[in-house]
Amino acid sequence: SQQGEEDPQALSIQEGENATMNCSYKTSINNLQWYRQNSGRGLVHLILIRSNEREKHSGRLRVTLDTSKKSSSLLITASRAADTASYFCATGVSILNRDDKIIFGKGTRLHILP
Amino acid sequence: EAGVAQSPRYKIIEKRQSVAFWCNPISGHATLYWYQQILGQGPKLLIQFQNNGVVDDSQLPKDRFSAERLKGVDSTLKIQPAKLEDSAVYLCASSARQGAYEQYFGPGTRLTVT
Repeated sequence: SQQGEEDPQALSIQEGENATMNCSYKTSINNLQWYRQNSGRGLVHLILIRSNEREKHSGRLRVTLDTSKKSSSLLITASRAADTASYFCATGVSILNRDDKIIFGKGTRLHILP
Repeated sequence: EAGVAQSPRYKIIEKRQSVAFWCNPISGHATLYWYQQILGQGPKLLIQFQNNGVVDDSQLPKDRFSAERLKGVDSTLKIQPAKLEDSAVYLCASSARQGAYEQYFGPGTRLTVT
């Protein structure tokens, strides 16, 4: 079942610019994670933000979470060619009588132009 | 530390044939996941193990897919018989804790069914 939906589906920007991608979800979450996937390194965890947090930073990454709007954004500052990849949000949800699980969205394909 | 290992990296089979994938998680990670990722989509969870027990297999097509983790370490995922729509990348992931926490992914096995 699809929980998170990233927007835009694809994004092309010039190297050095900032890239922003968004994730909207449908049900209450415990946390939200962002992952990056490229051909070289596969699927890699970037950052996790808990439902009681509003903003989190990691290097050139800034993630915000607005639980009232059920949305999150990932900002990559000063983009580099190596940032070319697909970015997925993964929502951590509680399943009745089961442990929490994460559900991936369809991803945003980011292309950094030289 | 060594990452999640998967083999083979690529496999081409004809429909109705069977195939098996192998995964070795990060040492000490009790939780292991198998995902199916169809081109252009996010990973979809097929099955989750905690040690050698199944936690969630609600999206596993049990008429043709099976998975085991006999000693709580390595795992195998089998498809028998394969269908054209099974063409996808099969990702194995592990995590140190059960639940909606950071997952570490292997490189995946790209399966093509002709």
